[in-house]
Amino acid sequence: EIQLLESGGDLVQPGGSLRLSCAASEFTFNTFAMNWVRQAPGKGLEWVSSISGGGGRIDYADSVRGRFTISRDNSKNTLYLQMNSLRVDDTGLYYCAKSALGTFYYGMDVWGQGTTVTV
Amino acid sequence: DIQLTQSPSFLSASVGDRVTITCRASQGINSYLAWYQQQPGKAPKLLIYAASSLQSGVPSRFSGSGSGTEFTLTISSLQPEDFATYYCQQLNSYPHSFGQGTKLEIK
Repeated sequence: EIQLLESGGDLVQPGGSLRLSCAASEFTFNTFAMNWVRQAPGKGLEWVSSISGGGGRIDYADSVRGRFTISRDNSKNTLYLQMNSLRVDDTGLYYCAKSALGTFYYGMDVWGQGTTVTV
Repeated sequence: DIQLTQSPSFLSASVGDRVTITCRASQGINSYLAWYQQQPGKAPKLLIYAASSLQSGVPSRFSGSGSGTEFTLTISSLQPEDFATYYCQQLNSYPHSFGQGTKLEIK
């Protein structure tokens, strides 16, 4: 069964840093684009960042650009989100999600359980 | 940036009802629209991709339609497990924005 397991969420002071990880299993990780999506408490979904299978294409939401960095290690089947200069409004549940059909265009078909970031 | 507006934001319906949720984009997004269902305390689940393609394993009572700027998600006969929050997401251009959500409640 395809699985995504996030980790790294924590309580941090404003201005602090965290690195989230997402360990993937049971699929050919390097052929799929990957994403981070967050959800503030009681609020809707917010797309945060995406990275292509090979890592050559990366995009960010305006709210995190310049503070967050998405990366992947295909040898370890792991996705990362380095979060710097954290703000109170970065608080939320952070999901790792796999892009459907390998590309960005068709939504996200597998999601992790999320990891909680509290600033 | 492309804004997605879902209507209604709240919907009250009964088991067996047919319901439709609309997602309007602030500019054309071709057919690069996905629909998700989120149960309380759970991760979102992909229902529909490319506006009208049913994700594998999703019941056929769910259907999607539309292109350009107006899209709909229809549930043909509500089941108890369908009461949840639904989100649309555009994947035509970055940022890949979501709609604000539609909470479907039992009447």
